[in-house]
Amino acid sequence: DTEVTQTPKHLVMGMTNKKSLKCEQHMGHRAMYWYKQKAKKPPELMFVYSYEKLSINESVPSRFSPECPNSSLLNLHLHALQPEDSALYLCASSQGLLRGSRSEQYFGPGTRLTVT
Amino acid sequence: AQTVTQSQPEMSVQEAETVTLSCTYDTSESDYYLFWYKQPPSRQMILVIRQEAYKQQNATENRFSVNFQKAAKSFSLKISDSQLGDAAMYFCAYRSVSYSGAGSYQLTFGKGTKLSVIP
Repeated sequence: DTEVTQTPKHLVMGMTNKKSLKCEQHMGHRAMYWYKQKAKKPPELMFVYSYEKLSINESVPSRFSPECPNSSLLNLHLHALQPEDSALYLCASSQGLLRGSRSEQYFGPGTRLTVT
Repeated sequence: AQTVTQSQPEMSVQEAETVTLSCTYDTSESDYYLFWYKQPPSRQMILVIRQEAYKQQNATENRFSVNFQKAAKSFSLKISDSQLGDAAMYFCAYRSVSYSGAGSYQLTFGKGTKLSVIP
């Protein structure tokens, strides 16, 4: 089973709203990732969690707040977003970040976010 | 820093024919991983094929195969017997093996090649 699930599939929110995106995997992976993808562009890395600890934060604005409650779950909390934050948000997981871990990342279907 | 270049923004292929997508990369590392990901209009990124740089043998997965030329830093994807379901954006990606900081294991993506399949 190489499934990563994401909810919701679509989200429309106003600039003053607070919402959360959820990602889940049951492959025993210990690294989880959030990406942002604009139309016709490759994904851009936002955050990486390794063993439930934030490993990488790619200078993402504080209106995006990640959380990793356990090894299977990854959340992205959204607050006071701007219209330019509208994008597809992808979650991915991989076996780990340690040398010798299998390298491939498995992606979820994404959440299409529209900020009005 | 590594870079990945996909020089063909768009390509098309007739159904049942063969098509090759190009990818070149720049790195000073000797060991690394290379991937091809497919992203159909449904938007889910799907891993197509994986190549380890220390392996000389080209990876294959059913109708998908790669031509890995390490000295030339080239990693092309060949799709045989193209099907309508192969229509998608294809991304080439690079990942380091050696750890040199928290960012080492990030995927570096090319800009993508949009493949159309003509019935």
